[in-house]
Amino acid sequence: RKEVEQDPGPFNVPEGATVAFNCTYSNSASQSFFWYRQDCRKEPKLLMSVYSSGNEDGRFTAQLNRASQYISLLIRDSKLSDSATYLCVVNSYNQGGKLIFGQGTELSVKP
Amino acid sequence: GAGVSQSPSNKVTEKGKDVELRCDPISGHTALYWYRQSLGQGLEFLIYFQGNSAPDKSGLPSDRFSAERTGGSVSTLTIQRTQQEDSAVYLCASSSLYEQFFGPGTRLTVL
Repeated sequence: RKEVEQDPGPFNVPEGATVAFNCTYSNSASQSFFWYRQDCRKEPKLLMSVYSSGNEDGRFTAQLNRASQYISLLIRDSKLSDSATYLCVVNSYNQGGKLIFGQGTELSVKP
Repeated sequence: GAGVSQSPSNKVTEKGKDVELRCDPISGHTALYWYRQSLGQGLEFLIYFQGNSAPDKSGLPSDRFSAERTGGSVSTLTIQRTQQEDSAVYLCASSSLYEQFFGPGTRLTVL
């Protein structure tokens, strides 16, 4: 079983749709969580951190459920420019602080 | 700029040759990672350096791959006797606290 698992997609949605991505992690000692975004043929970039109480940044909402070891990302009113691969990332202190990346979920927003 | 830089940006080599890829992390970042990514695939973790600790080499695919980090700064990834399956984009990232910043990558093509 992979340490961080995501649905690879692709998710094909129309502009304006709401889309949700899920991610599960296996290491219960994980302490920090993030979503990264990777555009085609570009390097990944931090989208947002995920806090225990959940957090929102504009159209993006991240949620964490430690009991279920589950992270989510919700995108509201999706734009064409949201098309990218979204990577779930987990940091576990018992692995020397190493960040573990999921394989990514591909999103394609169509007009 | 003060971002992560990598060189060369592109490298074409012949099967059986050795290659060296260089990464200049952000000044002051104690953690440095190497990944590789094949077209359309997720990030594959290779090696992780954290301060003066022994590197986590658990992702290196074979003993043809090695990496070093001199003076806690610049890192070099060496691939000996390259094979066609080594063709990929090699990404370096450095981090402070918990955010990783990626370099633009080196696109390696083995003919």
